Parts: sequence; structure tokens; C-alpha cells
Amino acid sequence: QAQIQQWGAGLLKPSETLSLTCVVYGGSFNGYYWTWIRQSPGKGLECIGEINHRGSTRYSPSLKSRVTISVDASKNQFSLKMTSLTAADTAVYFCARGPNSDWYRDGMDVWGQGTTVTVSS
Amino acid sequence: DIQMTQSPSTLSASVGDRVTITCRASQSISSWLAWYQQKPGKAPKLLIYKSSTLETWAPSRFSGSGSGTEFTFTINSLQPDDFASYYCQQYDTYPWTFGQGTKVEIK
Repeated sequence: QAQIQQWGAGLLKPSETLSLTCVVYGGSFNGYYWTWIRQSPGKGLECIGEINHRGSTRYSPSLKSRVTISVDASKNQFSLKMTSLTAADTAVYFCARGPNSDWYRDGMDVWGQGTTVTVSS
Repeated sequence: DIQMTQSPSTLSASVGDRVTITCRASQSISSWLAWYQQKPGKAPKLLIYKSSTLETWAPSRFSGSGSGTEFTFTINSLQPDDFASYYCQQYDTYPWTFGQGTKVEIK
């Protein structure tokens, strides 16, 4: 049964860069898309972007200019970087498996525990 | 982006009640819709995918239906563990988008 553990800095200042990483334990890493999502009281759940083990990425158009998602398939890890942070980026950030894979389109079935990110001077 | 309109935003119900949540997409998403349950301080948990397919962990009192732009999520005989927030999500067209959520509260 796959599990995801995530980590990264939680308190950042405006204009700084957010950096978060997720590692996948158990199950297959290859073949899946791995997604970053954030949740804030004002905007609800919002998809940030996704990547597969080959490094193919897609980003939300509203965040694309500030976001980079990368993968290290040899370590079953994927990472998020978001630049030029403002208070509006304050949210809980999650990583998750799916919703698509090379074989199925079965929703986001495995999630990290979430990281609370606060952007404040 | 496809807009997902979920209603109601809050629902008050009692143990044993049948509750229904609706989700409307701004354009057709075929059956590429998922439902998630979220409890405070936790990550969302996938309940239903492809509009009506129940995850293996989910009890059979949960069900989903619909296609195109109109979808329904039902809990038959609400249990104490079901008081939570529920979200729909479309994964037909990127970027994937979520409904605003429905909080199911104890009446």
C-alpha cells in the first residue's frame, strides 16, 4: 500500500521561495502522475501542477509563471518550488498520487499529510 | 478552467438520515468526477471516482451518480463517522478543479 510523506519549510517571508518535497513508499512510482494541491480558506482546494516519473509536467495556468515541479524517480521523490511568494500563497499544501496513471483514471487515491505554509513578514 | 458548483455549502443532518450533495460542471466532463471526504486537519480521502465507482475502503452507504454536467453524491443512513466535509473534483480537463465543498454537520 503506497504512502506519501512530505516535508518543507512552513514559515516564509514575502518574495521568498517555497520548497516542498514528497517521497513515496510502497507501490509503484513509475506510471503515475504526482500532483501538488493547496487548500486555503479563501480559494478552497486548488491544483498547482503535476508530474510523472518521466518528468512530463503540467501546471495550473494561474500559477505557471512561479511554479516548478521536478522529479527524482531513483528516489521516488517529487518536489515543488514556488517563487515570489505573497500572503495569498498562505495555505496547506498537499501532494497526492493521480488522478491519472498510465493505466487508469481513478482519482487522487494517496495523499501526503499536508504542510501548513504561512507567508508573513 | 471548468467551474464546479457544489451545493449545499452546509448541511445539517441527524444520524440515520439520507443526505444528498449535488455538483454541477460548467461544461461536460463525461464521468470524470471524484468525491473526497475531508476531516479537520487531515488530507482529503478519495471516496468515489469515475462518478460512481466506490473506493475499496468506502462503506456501501456512500454512492455517486451522474454524467455530463450533473452529479449527485448520496450517503444512505448517515453515521457518526460521516460528519465531515465533502468535495467533488473534475479530472476531465486540466487544470483539475474542485467544488467549494459541503460541510455535513450534526443537527
